[in-house]
Amino acid sequence: AQSVAQPEDQVNVAEGNPLTVKCTYSVSGNPYLFWYVQYPNRGLQFLLKYITGDNLVKGSYGFEAEFNKSQTSFHLKKPSALVSDSALYFCAVRGASGGSYIPTFGRGTSLIVHP
Amino acid sequence: ETGVTQSPTHLIKTRGQQVTLRCSSQSGHNTVSWYQQALGQGPQFIFQYYREEENGRGNFPPRFSGLQFPNYSSELNVNALELDDSALYLCASSPDRSNTEAFFGQGTRLTVV
Repeated sequence: AQSVAQPEDQVNVAEGNPLTVKCTYSVSGNPYLFWYVQYPNRGLQFLLKYITGDNLVKGSYGFEAEFNKSQTSFHLKKPSALVSDSALYFCAVRGASGGSYIPTFGRGTSLIVHP
Repeated sequence: ETGVTQSPTHLIKTRGQQVTLRCSSQSGHNTVSWYQQALGQGPQFIFQYYREEENGRGNFPPRFSGLQFPNYSSELNVNALELDDSALYLCASSPDRSNTEAFFGQGTRLTVV
């Protein structure tokens, strides 16, 4: 069975500082990995995905994530945080092979950026 | 804006009732997925429809059912509502069934009392 762990319920960072939101996963075979952001009372917005290729994936709003196969991690990063980045962040995984299109989401990490 | 719209935005139902939630996919998308997001949790996959046929289902009982129409809009039906069904229900549309590019609607907040 596939699973996603987001070990931190909340991450606090000062505006202008780098941020990291952690994600580790478990899946059979090669993974497809995703990051989404959710603002209050809104649906999920796609940030970035890893399908294949370069381990460093660049996405929307200056976010990037690094795929690390040996550590089964896909941490979300941004060099300089903005107050407007404050939101709920979800990591998701699904298997790359076969007919399984079912993604599994983590429980989410609340990012709070302080002015 | 993702182009995916859900209706209604909020709904209150009584335990035991039935509910239908609706989703209009982004233009050109033939795949729709439904998710349940309980308070403080990540979204849980309910099922996916590709060209009007169900092609993936999560761990939800049969009282959760769906339809996809020829215009690729979709419905989620839940029978015999239980208090634990209270959640945000999200619809996502994709241009193909690989589901590697999903665009979410704003969700329907269902409260069962």
